[in-house]
Amino acid sequence: KAGVTQTPRYLIKTRGQQVTLSCSPISGHRSVSWYQQTPGQGLQFLFEYFSETQRNKGNFPGRFSGRQFSNSRSEMNVSTLELGDSALYLCASSQGRTSTVTGELFFGEGSRLTVL
Amino acid sequence: AQTVTQSQPEMSVQEAETVTLSCTYDTSENNYYLFWYKQPPSRQMILVIRQEAYKQQNATENRFSVNFQKAAKSFSLKISDSQLGDTAMYFCAFSWQGAQKLVFGQGTRLTINP
Repeated sequence: KAGVTQTPRYLIKTRGQQVTLSCSPISGHRSVSWYQQTPGQGLQFLFEYFSETQRNKGNFPGRFSGRQFSNSRSEMNVSTLELGDSALYLCASSQGRTSTVTGELFFGEGSRLTVL
Repeated sequence: AQTVTQSQPEMSVQEAETVTLSCTYDTSENNYYLFWYKQPPSRQMILVIRQEAYKQQNATENRFSVNFQKAAKSFSLKISDSQLGDTAMYFCAFSWQGAQKLVFGQGTRLTINP
């Protein structure tokens, strides 16, 4: 079974640009969540989608947005990039049948974004 | 607010030794779940072990075990017979009823030396 796939793995952008990151969950998983990982702030929850609906959102500005498609693939977008957006963005999938994370989240290898 | 604290930024032990990573959390929830995740260098994060708060028995997965002290809100991870492949960042994480997300600690960088 293929794992969680994130693309692109690495990207460099300049301030003010926008970026779109993609995540393909494990087959059969309907929940996709996104986390931002930085050395200073650690791992912070961005948002979670289940069956194309956002069920939960973290404390990030409106520049961060996401969506999920009918095949459970998800994208996140960051507009008007700032230097502080440089981070490893992790996607995780699960079956997500309940509204609580009770079991394992399966993580991708992440997309490393550098903003210059 | 739910918080998770890992007080050991870095640890280093010799291969085959036993090491314990500390984690404390703060919550007013009664129904919650605790996790330890491992993030090897340049590889994806994987679940090491999980614990339901309502279970008194400590979880065990092969060489990995936890010491769950609910009253003290403590959830430490013990790695026995440590191996070079255990070298990684270890994150303690927490979720609670109705919260479709994990709250992570800052992580402990564990190095196993040959």
